[in-house]
Amino acid sequence: DAGVIQSPRHEVTEMGQEVTLRCKPISGHNSLFWYRQTMMRGLELLIYFNNNVPIDDSGMPEDRFSAKMPNASFSTLKIQPSEPRDSAVYFCASSSGTSDIQYFGAGTRLSVL
Amino acid sequence: AQKVTQAQTEISVVEKEDVTLDCVYETRDTTYYLFWYKQPPSGELVFLIRRNSFDEQNEISGRYSWNFQKSTSSFNFTITASQVVDSAVYFCALRGGYGGSQGNLIFGKGTKLSVKP
Repeated sequence: DAGVIQSPRHEVTEMGQEVTLRCKPISGHNSLFWYRQTMMRGLELLIYFNNNVPIDDSGMPEDRFSAKMPNASFSTLKIQPSEPRDSAVYFCASSSGTSDIQYFGAGTRLSVL
Repeated sequence: AQKVTQAQTEISVVEKEDVTLDCVYETRDTTYYLFWYKQPPSGELVFLIRRNSFDEQNEISGRYSWNFQKSTSSFNFTITASQVVDSAVYFCALRGGYGGSQGNLIFGKGTKLSVKP
């Protein structure tokens, strides 16, 4: 079975540009999570969806961040405009209703110059 | 509030030594779940184990073992006869059993384990 697939793996952009990170959850999983990992703050939840509906977005830093899940097999995290402090590794994870184990993608390393 | 503390920032051992990674958690939930994840140098997060608050039995999986003690709010992880391939950052995480943040994992800061040959 394919795991959680994230793209791109690496993204380098300039301040002010729009960045879109993509995630394909494990087939059959109905919960999807976006996390951010930085040296200072560690791993922190940004937002999570259940059955494509956003449940908790209290971790989204500010209005520059937005996330969508148009269907059960795809989600995006968008940053517009990006800032250097957004540089981090962004992880997507998914879990099923029968097991709450979250399986993580390989992450997207974002560098905003 | 929920919190996970991994007091050991970095540990260095020589191959074949046993090593224990500590995890202390705080929660007011009566039902909760504890997890360990491994993050090797390649960067992905790999699930290792899940434990619910009603199951205090220790678990062993090969060279890995976990000790869950509710009395001390700890969920420690021991690697027996460590190997170089065990070198990674290990995260302990907590999830509450109900409420608006039901799905949310609260992570500790991680313990970086270096196993030298």
